[in-house]
Amino acid sequence: KNQVEQSPQSLIILEGKNCTLQCNYTVSPFSNLRWYKQDTGRGPVSLTIMTFSENTKSNGRYTATLDADTKQSSLHITASQLSDSASYICVVSAKDGATNKLIFGTGTLLAVQP
Amino acid sequence: DTEVTQTPKHLVMGMTNKKSLKCEQHMGHRAMYWYKQKAKKPPELMFVYSYEKLSINESVPSRFSPECPNSSLLNLHLHALQPEDSALYLCASSQDWRSSYNEQFFGPGTRLTVL
Repeated sequence: KNQVEQSPQSLIILEGKNCTLQCNYTVSPFSNLRWYKQDTGRGPVSLTIMTFSENTKSNGRYTATLDADTKQSSLHITASQLSDSASYICVVSAKDGATNKLIFGTGTLLAVQP
Repeated sequence: DTEVTQTPKHLVMGMTNKKSLKCEQHMGHRAMYWYKQKAKKPPELMFVYSYEKLSINESVPSRFSPECPNSSLLNLHLHALQPEDSALYLCASSQDWRSSYNEQFFGPGTRLTVL
């Protein structure tokens, strides 16, 4: 069964600190993996996308890694800001013939405190 | 314009009401989606439209009726909903739903409450 699991479920950090969010997936056939940021009551916004052959991708203070062998990804946030408070969702795309399906993780709720 | 807009932002309706959710994009995308998201849960796919034709219906109850009048607009007609249908309804669009590399751009959602 295609599944994406994220940890931790929630995280509280102080402004300026770094943090790392984890994503484990069992999705086949794997096409790509995205990290989305979702502010409360808003739609998700894509932060990074990685394909099978990519190990790392950066977007400003966000750096995502992918280990396709162990089927794990992480999202590292550097020098956190209050505006980083949001839910971070790991989304794996499964390509099956003509069908393209997104498998969403349950998300990590990040709270950055002053 | 890289935005997906949704109206209304909030909607409260009774179980006997008929209402519609609207979604609009002007990015020239040919695929549009409806998702349902319950609190603290990931979005669940409901429908996919490709080139204005319904391509995927994820076994959604008939009280939800999608409509794609043209390539920029997507509606979701609601009738005889249940309280458990209360959720955030997200619309998304992408260049082409068959390519997994095309990013799905999400709208801000409509917060629906069914009384």
